[in-house]
Amino acid sequence: DIQMTQSPSSLSASVGDRVTITCRASQSISTYLNWYQQKPGKAPKLLIYAASSLQSGVPSTFSGSGSGTDFTLTISSLQPEDFATYYCQQSYNTPWTFGQGTKVEIK
Amino acid sequence: EVQLVESGGGLVQPGGSLRLSCAASEFTFSSYWMTWVRQAPGKGLEWVASIKQDGSEKYYVDSVKGRFTISRDDAKNSLFLQMNSLRAEDTAVYYCARLRWAAAARNYFDYWGQGTLVTVSS
Repeated sequence: DIQMTQSPSSLSASVGDRVTITCRASQSISTYLNWYQQKPGKAPKLLIYAASSLQSGVPSTFSGSGSGTDFTLTISSLQPEDFATYYCQQSYNTPWTFGQGTKVEIK
Repeated sequence: EVQLVESGGGLVQPGGSLRLSCAASEFTFSSYWMTWVRQAPGKGLEWVASIKQDGSEKYYVDSVKGRFTISRDDAKNSLFLQMNSLRAEDTAVYYCARLRWAAAARNYFDYWGQGTLVTVSS
């Protein structure tokens, strides 16, 4: 199985900050990488697919990059509604696996 | 707007069975792969199972193989997860999600239901 490791596990940031979350795969997955946002008590929401494609309706403050084993989710200017937990997920092969999550908290 | 509504969760004893349902609307259900993803309390997300449009292909995470069965009824726009021999570690919120395929076989879960809680406990 492909293991997905996110860093950091949590971070504190202020509104307006630039935030970067990293996801590393245990083997090369090309750009078979998706990012989701989850708020407490809610279902996950797709943000980025295929490493860098922005899902329709998602603000352009979100961007994704990377290929192979190393990927990044960037929030260019953190907004109050962005405080949530973020998960990466590989779609290279089954079992499709998620990272452990990165919780973005208010500083 | 795409809607996915799960039902069927509840409290069940270890070794028991439960059948989850997911009612889909506002999209052509028969044209999409569908998926179940679960989340144990306070934990991360775990993909459970996926099914192709015509039901001809089904995939499962190893921990549920032989115990869970994913199925669908396209006439009723419904997805199901039959869960047998339930264990305490199956306790989780179970989400139904639509699986979308993009270029070069990239895929992703683009719409999710609100989830249904399954608790396995004596």
